Amino acid sequence: DTAVSQTPKYLVTQMGNDKSIKCEQNLGHDTMYWYKQDSKKFLKIMFSYNNKELIINETVPNRFSPKSPDKAHLNLHINSLELGDSAVYFCASSLQQWAEAFFGQGTRLTVV
Amino acid sequence: AQSVTQLGSHVSVSEGALVLLRCNYSSSVPPYLFWYVQYPNQGLQLLLKYTSAATLVKGINGFEAEFKKSETSFHLTKPSAHMSDAAEYFCAVRTTNAGGTSYGKLTFGQGTILTVHP
Repeated sequence: DTAVSQTPKYLVTQMGNDKSIKCEQNLGHDTMYWYKQDSKKFLKIMFSYNNKELIINETVPNRFSPKSPDKAHLNLHINSLELGDSAVYFCASSLQQWAEAFFGQGTRLTVV
Repeated sequence: AQSVTQLGSHVSVSEGALVLLRCNYSSSVPPYLFWYVQYPNQGLQLLLKYTSAATLVKGINGFEAEFKKSETSFHLTKPSAHMSDAAEYFCAVRTTNAGGTSYGKLTFGQGTILTVHP
């Protein structure tokens, strides 16, 4: 069974479109995250939720909006996509805020 | 704010040789430290973690790391490299104090690509 699963794995879309990435974890963890990995493989946190409450919101354009309907899900919606949004987006979860994070397989977003 | 520096973006070793990947951290409070591995087109897999117990930490696939507070280091080693170890390795730090905007944030180094030659 996949612990942290993201869909879709690949996403190709045009500039200006709106898209969503879904994430689900079946580990019973309280905390979930979204990370962005750029073309140089640098990983930067975007958001973190603990028990459905937003606890970390880095300097991310407000075109990005996370939503956590329950503890097991954290979705990422992106409005008005730009070329610079092209990256791999990773969802992750951890038992608590200080524990190790478990990562999904990533969603490779390409904006053309 | 915490930060992580991985010395050497590329490390190349021969199969059977010692693997040493360097990581130095900066944190104003006692940190939790992690090493992750990323194979091509995959997510990150946890190799090992330091959470203020034993300073020498053993992980999966024969890797281990030693926390040295005086040197603010957490270098990753493996006595004998295998071809299957070729991947990118990330060191990460998490602060442990409650409160503050960095609490709970996992900060990654820039990664080190390990190449293993036959």
